Amino acid sequence: EAGVAQSPRYKIIEKRQSVAFWCNPISGHATLYWYQQILGQGPKLLIQFQNNGVVDDSQLPKDRFSAERLKGVDSTLKIQPAKLEDSAVYLCASSRGTGFSGNTIYFGEGSWLTVV
Amino acid sequence: KQEVTQIPAALSVPEGENLVLNCSFTDSAIYNLQWFRQDPGKGLTSLLLIQSSQREQTSGRLNASLDKSSGRSTLYIAASQPGDSATYLCAVRGLTSGSRLTFGEGTQLTVNP
Repeated sequence: EAGVAQSPRYKIIEKRQSVAFWCNPISGHATLYWYQQILGQGPKLLIQFQNNGVVDDSQLPKDRFSAERLKGVDSTLKIQPAKLEDSAVYLCASSRGTGFSGNTIYFGEGSWLTVV
Repeated sequence: KQEVTQIPAALSVPEGENLVLNCSFTDSAIYNLQWFRQDPGKGLTSLLLIQSSQREQTSGRLNASLDKSSGRSTLYIAASQPGDSATYLCAVRGLTSGSRLTFGEGTQLTVNP
């Protein structure tokens, strides 16, 4: 079974520029998550999708971050304009059922963003 | 607001030693707790998932326990190996946070040959 795919793996941009990350979850997984992990910290949930609907985006900085899940499969996370403090790893994850089903959550290898 | 703390932040042990990693959480209203492993430059790999009604889970040399009432979990690694070197993260899924996983900051483990 193929894992969670993310691209690009690495990106360096200047502050105030924009960037987009793409995620393809495991086939058949209804729930998709985007996490932000700053160096030395645990991941923080940015947004959770159930199929193509948003379940939780309470920690997403909506003035600069946006995300969508196309047809309940792939997802894109966009940052515009980027700030220095957005430098982090952006992890996409997926699980088969809902958050309360107890299903294992599978993570991609992450997209590493450096804002200079 | 759920807060998850992991102690110690870093641990270095000789190969073969048994070790315990600790995780504590402030809100006991949880659905489940998971332990993850993260290798440098990689994503997270789920190791063990404990439902709130369970006391422990075992997988190979790993054993995780959960004491929901006291807000604590431990990950026990038996007969540690250099390949166990990684960061170990604990995460809880709360009942009142929209099923969100809240992570601790991790314990960075180094097993020396």
